[in-house]
Amino acid sequence: GIQVEQSPPDLILQEGANSTLRCNFSDSVNNLQWFHQNPWGQLINLFYIPSGTKQNGRLSATTVATERYSLLYISSSQTTDSGVYFCAVRRGSQGNLIFGKGTKLSVKP
Amino acid sequence: EAQVTQNPRYLITVTGKKLTVTCSQNMNHEYMSWYRQDPGLGLRQIYYSMNVEVTDKGDVPEGYKVSRKEKRNFPLILESPSPNQTSLYFCASSLSGTSGYGYTFGSGTRLTVV
Repeated sequence: GIQVEQSPPDLILQEGANSTLRCNFSDSVNNLQWFHQNPWGQLINLFYIPSGTKQNGRLSATTVATERYSLLYISSSQTTDSGVYFCAVRRGSQGNLIFGKGTKLSVKP
Repeated sequence: EAQVTQNPRYLITVTGKKLTVTCSQNMNHEYMSWYRQDPGLGLRQIYYSMNVEVTDKGDVPEGYKVSRKEKRNFPLILESPSPNQTSLYFCASSLSGTSGYGYTFGSGTRLTVV
């Protein structure tokens, strides 16, 4: 099956710093999403981005489908950005999202 | 507000006592799915439903049942819960399971079986 690898696994930042999270996937996909799991366990949908670039406030994401990777950019990080960021992809018609292991982000004040 | 609603958010139960976790979406989505999240194992799909009366097994279906009698609801049933079903459960929905649409997740249900 398709493999999803995220890097780095852990990231510690000072408030105000910028960061880039990466997601590599092993095969072509028709769905790629970025999620943020907050400290209370909720999965928040950040971007649906099977290709191209999107921006939402301090967050932006780029997916280069032909090279099988996606990047999530966080600018001017805040303590509320802490949590785990997941990349998830789907290939084919069964509808199963395959999740990466996540990047755990800690933003220090 | 478009959302997926799960209930309850937290549940502690005893081994063998049947329980149901409800999931409802108000977006007229065809596709619905259940996932469980465990430390070190990540998120794994339990069951999914492509449409009303159409359900199928995911990667870890043992010990679970589902039904899809109406489009908006997709309950997860544990007939005889065991401690290894202690987990964080998520319901998700999407406009379609066959095309490139995003998924919306519920807020999660933290289940403890003692």
